[in-house]
Amino acid sequence: DIQMTQSPSTLSASVGDRVTITCRASQSISIWLAWYQQKPGKAPKVLINKASSLESGVPSRFSGSGSGTEFALTISSLQPDDFATYYCQQYKTYAYTFGQGTKLELK
Amino acid sequence: QVQLVQSGAEMKKPGSSVKVSCKASGGTFTSYAISWIQQAPGQGPEWMGDIVPFFGTTNYAQRFQGRVTITADESSNTVYMELSSLKSEDSAMYYCARAVGIGAFDIWGQGTMVTVSS
Repeated sequence: DIQMTQSPSTLSASVGDRVTITCRASQSISIWLAWYQQKPGKAPKVLINKASSLESGVPSRFSGSGSGTEFALTISSLQPDDFATYYCQQYKTYAYTFGQGTKLELK
Repeated sequence: QVQLVQSGAEMKKPGSSVKVSCKASGGTFTSYAISWIQQAPGQGPEWMGDIVPFFGTTNYAQRFQGRVTITADESSNTVYMELSSLKSEDSAMYYCARAVGIGAFDIWGQGTMVTVSS
């Protein structure tokens, strides 16, 4: 299976900060990567697909980049609603795999 | 807009089986892939397997192979996930989720909590 490794595991930041979460795949997945946001007690919500395509309705402060094995999710100016856990996921090859998550917390 | 509505929470004994349903309301999912995803408390999601109801084809993660069965009833727009030989480690939230072609999971069910305890 393709391993997805996220960093950092926890990120402390303030409202208005620009933050970046990285995700590394154990082998090339081209652009077949998604980013999800999950809040406690809720299902994950897709933010980005195909590495950099913003899902409809997702604020433009979210952006994705990368291809191959190195990817990033950037939030340009953190809003109070953005404090949550973020996961990357590859869907190039079965079995689809997720990163271990990055918890974004208020500093 | 299609919504995925899952069955309610389950309490099971070790060694037994559980069958969770996922019904599409507001549309059909015949031509899409429906996956099942396990999320243990405090852990990241883990993909278990999927089905494309139109073709009846399934794929399973190695870790769950032999214990999980995913089926679909097109007449009722419902997909099922059955997990057998339950262990305490299977206590988790189980989600169904839709993927459009080769795509991310764009629609998720609300989740079904399964608790395995003697």
